Amino acid sequence: SAVISQKPSRDICQRGTSLTIQCQVDSQVTMMFWYRQQPGQSLTLIATANQGSEATYESGFVIDKFPISRPNLTFSTLTVSNMSPEDSSIYLCSVSRDNYGYTFGSGTRLTVV
Amino acid sequence: AQSVTQPDIHITVSEGASLELRCNYSYGATPYLFWYVQSPGQGLQLLLKYFSGDTLVQGIKGFEAEFKRSQSSFNLRKPSVHWSDAAEYFCAVGPYSSASKIIFGSGTRLSIRP
Repeated sequence: SAVISQKPSRDICQRGTSLTIQCQVDSQVTMMFWYRQQPGQSLTLIATANQGSEATYESGFVIDKFPISRPNLTFSTLTVSNMSPEDSSIYLCSVSRDNYGYTFGSGTRLTVV
Repeated sequence: AQSVTQPDIHITVSEGASLELRCNYSYGATPYLFWYVQSPGQGLQLLLKYFSGDTLVQGIKGFEAEFKRSQSSFNLRKPSVHWSDAAEYFCAVGPYSSASKIIFGSGTRLSIRP
């Protein structure tokens, strides 16, 4: 299965600022997925990132708040913009390789103060 | 609508006892099913997956799961739990496509009684 490096692993940020999370995969993948896990909750898909096109956002998530870049087939970034305490969550990237299921990065634990 | 239900929010079992975590799904086509484990402060690790074939699938760490189409279930089992199994367990369902998302259940937190 793919190996995913995600960073930063954690951060504490001031409200009103932005944080960019990076996700690097050790092999080329078509789609990369960004999830949010709020405290004590399950995972919710934010958006799907396809190289060379705009990301596709799920209901309740907008590009202005969570801009995503996908410059090549092994890398993506998610930015959490104009943060508020409600954005405190774990953010995870994920990729899928046929027959291998979905692999997740170790996550970015974000605390907004 | 596609959905995954994990009816047990929190389960406590004694170390050495058997374990079964329940998962029911609603999916319009042939589902692909997954169980993930998340230890405190960690990312998600794939325990096992079912794509097709034998409905009893073996995973890592001694876990297994059985796909029952008639019951729309994919329950996770382990014959004897270890203290290190304490974690959050997520069932997920999706289509077999690297271009498609999967849907997660709400999770079951497993505690181990010494």
